[in-house]
Amino acid sequence: GNSVTQMEGPVTLSEEAFLTINCTYTATGYPSLFWYVQYPGEGLQLLLKATKADDKGSNKGFEATYRKETTSFHLEKGSVQVSDSAVYFCALSQGAQKLVFGQGTRLTINP
Amino acid sequence: DADVTQTPRNRITKTGKRIMLECSQTKGHDRMYWYRQDPGLGLRLIYYSFDVKDINKGEISDGYSVSRQAQAKFSLSLESAIPNQTALYFCATSMPADNTGELFFGEGSRLTVL
Repeated sequence: GNSVTQMEGPVTLSEEAFLTINCTYTATGYPSLFWYVQYPGEGLQLLLKATKADDKGSNKGFEATYRKETTSFHLEKGSVQVSDSAVYFCALSQGAQKLVFGQGTRLTINP
Repeated sequence: DADVTQTPRNRITKTGKRIMLECSQTKGHDRMYWYRQDPGLGLRLIYYSFDVKDINKGEISDGYSVSRQAQAKFSLSLESAIPNQTALYFCATSMPADNTGELFFGEGSRLTVL
């Protein structure tokens, strides 16, 4: 079946550091890929998405590129801020809008 | 006001009790979902409904039931709660015509079963 694997957290960085959170997936065919973010005390919200190979999703300074050859969708940001502290979830969808989520990566940014 | 509202936000109960978590939405979406979140496991789908007369099991439906009372309301029940159902529960909605997979989540209901 479909599955998503994320790098284990927690991840702790200093402000203005470069961020990478790895995500790989297993699926047949061509799923859509997503990053969701969960700020403390809130529900998940969509951060960015890509629906086909080589697409790059971007939002709020975050980027991720759909790499079919490596079945990956790594999340990156060039300079993180304290306000980026949250839990990040990689997910895939393959029809019927039933998302399959990774286990989540908790990110803490220190001033 | 939130577009997807869950009640209660926090609940502590005892083993064997019946619990209902309610979800209402003002987004006008046909599709609604219940997920549970456990540390280190991400979110797992419990049940989903694509319209009022449609109910489908997700990957972890055992021990749960749902009711879609109206387009805007989707409730999750635990008939006889057990401690391993302690988790954070999320309701979500989506548009049927939107095949991008974007879900809109409530703020969650934290359930503790003693």
